[in-house]
Amino acid sequence: RKEVEQDPGPFNVPEGATVAFNCTYSNSASQSFFWYRQDCRKEPKLLMSVYSSGNEDGRFTAQLNRASQYISLLIRDSKLSDSATYLCVTDKLIFGTGTRLQVFP
Amino acid sequence: NAGVTQTPKFQVLKTGQSMTLQCAQDMNHNSMYWYRQDPGMGLRLIYYSASEGTTDKGEVPNGYNVSRLNKREFSLRLESAAPSQTSVYFCASSEYDWYSGNTIYFGEGSWLTVV
Repeated sequence: RKEVEQDPGPFNVPEGATVAFNCTYSNSASQSFFWYRQDCRKEPKLLMSVYSSGNEDGRFTAQLNRASQYISLLIRDSKLSDSATYLCVTDKLIFGTGTRLQVFP
Repeated sequence: NAGVTQTPKFQVLKTGQSMTLQCAQDMNHNSMYWYRQDPGMGLRLIYYSASEGTTDKGEVPNGYNVSRLNKREFSLRLESAAPSQTSVYFCASSEYDWYSGNTIYFGEGSWLTVV
């Protein structure tokens, strides 16, 4: 089993939709997690950190479920500009393979 | 603020050739990293340097060497390039080592093709 697993997608959603991605991790010692966004042929950039049960930043909400060892990213009111690959990362800097999101008009 | 700068951005090598990828950060970070990214594989850690003067192997170190020249610079060397090393390489840095769960900042990537 991979240490961090993500559904690769793609998730194709219309503008304005709400979409959620999950990420499961196997190392129960991990304490904090991150969501990075990566645009095509660009470097990953930090979107959100998750240190406790959850974190919210505008349209983005990240939640952590330690009992089930997964974190989720919820995007509300999707914009065309949200189209990207979203990478889940543990505090041991283990990356998931990413979930691709495509928002269409 | 330049952040993390890596060169070259694109490179084509012949099998067996050697080359060095250069990386520098201007954020006074202690830790630096080299990752490779392949389709379907995600980002995999090649080597990291928790602080100046130290380097450690990551998940996929074979075929690579690194040098932490000073606090700012961390280079990655391919001694004898192989087609399996065709990839996108990212240099990154963070204020403290990875066990502290610090945010890491990436360079723009180096696209390497080995023919």
